[in-house]
Amino acid sequence: QQQVKQSPQSLIVQKGGISIINCAYENTAFDYFPWYQQFPGKGPALLIAIRPDVSEKKEGRFTISFNKSAKQFSLHIMDSQPGDSATYFCAGAAFNAGGTSYGKLTFGQGTILTVHP
Amino acid sequence: NAGVTQTPKFQVLKTGQSMTLQCAQDMNHNSMYWYRQDPGMGLRLIYYSASEGTTDKGEVPNGYNVSRLNKREFSLRLESAAPSQTSVYFCASSEARYLPYEQYFGPGTRLTVT
Repeated sequence: QQQVKQSPQSLIVQKGGISIINCAYENTAFDYFPWYQQFPGKGPALLIAIRPDVSEKKEGRFTISFNKSAKQFSLHIMDSQPGDSATYFCAGAAFNAGGTSYGKLTFGQGTILTVHP
Repeated sequence: NAGVTQTPKFQVLKTGQSMTLQCAQDMNHNSMYWYRQDPGMGLRLIYYSASEGTTDKGEVPNGYNVSRLNKREFSLRLESAAPSQTSVYFCASSEARYLPYEQYFGPGTRLTVT
């Protein structure tokens, strides 16, 4: 079952524009909501993460907005650059699973972002 | 530090053949994971090892086995490969006790089963 649903599947943005990727989750046990960035031929890498007691987190041009009541969160990339072209994954993570922090991540389906110069 | 390394980078198997994917990390992490990545499906957890000496099933374990050889190494074995196992496989590690959402991924193994 897919506990984290991500949209859109692909996104094309012009340089300088805003990229927005949305995710919805079902598991209310998630303690953290990270975003991972993956360049072609590479493994994913952590980009930014948020806890559910915070409504927004900003790091440079990247912002996570979180809506706990709607069980939704989104990634905004301001002033998008061609170097931001990559696949982005949202995820949910439960710190304590059965009393032990396994740190398992449940990923969304991924969004392929293309930023045109 | 090399981080997380995986071998091989590419592999082609015939249906029914077996193989082992190797993974090693040099960050002294306790937890290690195996994922597969398929288009439109995201990253799905196959098996994980919360700490040395323990392994557990993830979301899609059928057709796979794992071995946590020591703290550094975590291997994934396909006993009888099937075309449905054509995928990109990623190994990851983390110090889940302190940063449960931060995993470090290897470069991946692209596997084709014909």
